[in-house]
Amino acid sequence: EAGVAQSPRYKIIEKRQSVAFWCNPISGHATLYWYQQILGQGPKLLIQFQNNGVVDDSQLPKDRFSAERLKGVDSTLKIQPAKLEDSAVYLCASSFSGGAVTDTQYFGPGTRLTVL
Amino acid sequence: AQKITQTQPGMFVQEKEAVTLDCTYDTSDPSYGLFWYKQPSSGEMIFLIYQGSYDQQNATEGRYSLNFQKARKSANLVISASQLGDSAMYFCAMSVISSGSARQLTFGSGTQLTVLP
Repeated sequence: EAGVAQSPRYKIIEKRQSVAFWCNPISGHATLYWYQQILGQGPKLLIQFQNNGVVDDSQLPKDRFSAERLKGVDSTLKIQPAKLEDSAVYLCASSFSGGAVTDTQYFGPGTRLTVL
Repeated sequence: AQKITQTQPGMFVQEKEAVTLDCTYDTSDPSYGLFWYKQPSSGEMIFLIYQGSYDQQNATEGRYSLNFQKARKSANLVISASQLGDSAMYFCAMSVISSGSARQLTFGSGTQLTVLP
């Protein structure tokens, strides 16, 4: 079974530029998550989708971050314009249902973003 | 408020020895799940083991076991017979209700484990 796919793996941009990350979850997983992981910290949830609807985006900086999940499968996270403090690893995860205590999240390899 | 605490920023262990990574949690939700993930320097988060709040027995997965002490609100990860490839950052996480019936993970700050030859 294929895991969570993400691209690109690495991205270097200058501040005020825009960038987009792509994620394809495990087949059959209804719930998709985007996390931001700053160096030395645990991942922080940015947004959670259930199928193609947003469940929680309370920690997404909506003035510059946007995300969509078309057709309830793959997803795109965009930053426009980027700031220096956006330098982090962006992790995508998926889980089967998103509602059960036993629901395990499986993560992709992440995208390491550097903003200069 | 839900919170995960990992008090060991770094740990060293000799190859082939066992090591315990500490994790304490705080939640008022009677139904929750506890997870451990491994993050090598490559960056991917690898799921290791899960323990449910109502599980009577401690979870085990190969060389990994979870020492679950509900009264103390602790969920320590035990790695037996450490290998050089176990060197990585380890995160403890708890599933909590986010909105409606959806759940999300709250992560601790992690413990960097180094296995010495």
